Amino acid sequence: DVKVTQSSRYLVKRTGEKVFLECVQDMDHENMFWYRQDPGLGLRLIYFSYDVKMKEKGDIPEGYSVSREKKERFSLILESASTNQTSMYLCASRTGTSGYNEQFFGPGTRLTVL
Amino acid sequence: GNSVTQMEGPVTLSEEAFLTINCTYTATGYPSLFWYVQYPGEGLQLLLKATKADDKGSNKGFEATYRKETTSFHLEKGSVQVSDSAVYFCALSAGGNTGKLIFGQGTTLQVKP
Repeated sequence: DVKVTQSSRYLVKRTGEKVFLECVQDMDHENMFWYRQDPGLGLRLIYFSYDVKMKEKGDIPEGYSVSREKKERFSLILESASTNQTSMYLCASRTGTSGYNEQFFGPGTRLTVL
Repeated sequence: GNSVTQMEGPVTLSEEAFLTINCTYTATGYPSLFWYVQYPGEGLQLLLKATKADDKGSNKGFEATYRKETTSFHLEKGSVQVSDSAVYFCALSAGGNTGKLIFGQGTTLQVKP
């Protein structure tokens, strides 16, 4: 069974802290994605990665960075957390670059920044 | 640019009622269209998809037909169950090198026994 796991389900951090969200997939997928989910806005793409050490900005990259040192792991980094980054963060992976291929999602990390 | 618009929720139905969730899109070219579902406490999972005009995607009793003339991909189910209570997202992929998904805002469905 395919699996995308995220390091935490719930996380509470303080303004200014550096925050790491980890995502691991066991499907040998080339592509990985980070989204944030906010009520009334759906999912918005933060960053994605075609392959190891490759990354591209999505629609809302400001305040975030990413790291992909191994194929199975994609990390989202909040360099200095702010209250407007309180949100649900979802990681996904996909085989190949075709937009027709299914994306597989993790369960999400609900981040609260105080 | 590309965008997806879904009907506002929440949608509340009684068990065995007919469901329609409207979805319209704006895109250049010929996008692929998707419905993803998010059950409480879980990530999203693909419900169904369609790649070209007049294609019908179907799964678990849900259906959606790719209508190019009306730029729509409405989700339907003939008889909903309590277990269908979830958030439903319409999405498109406009192709190109990245195949990025663009999501609608999501529609919450609550089915009451």
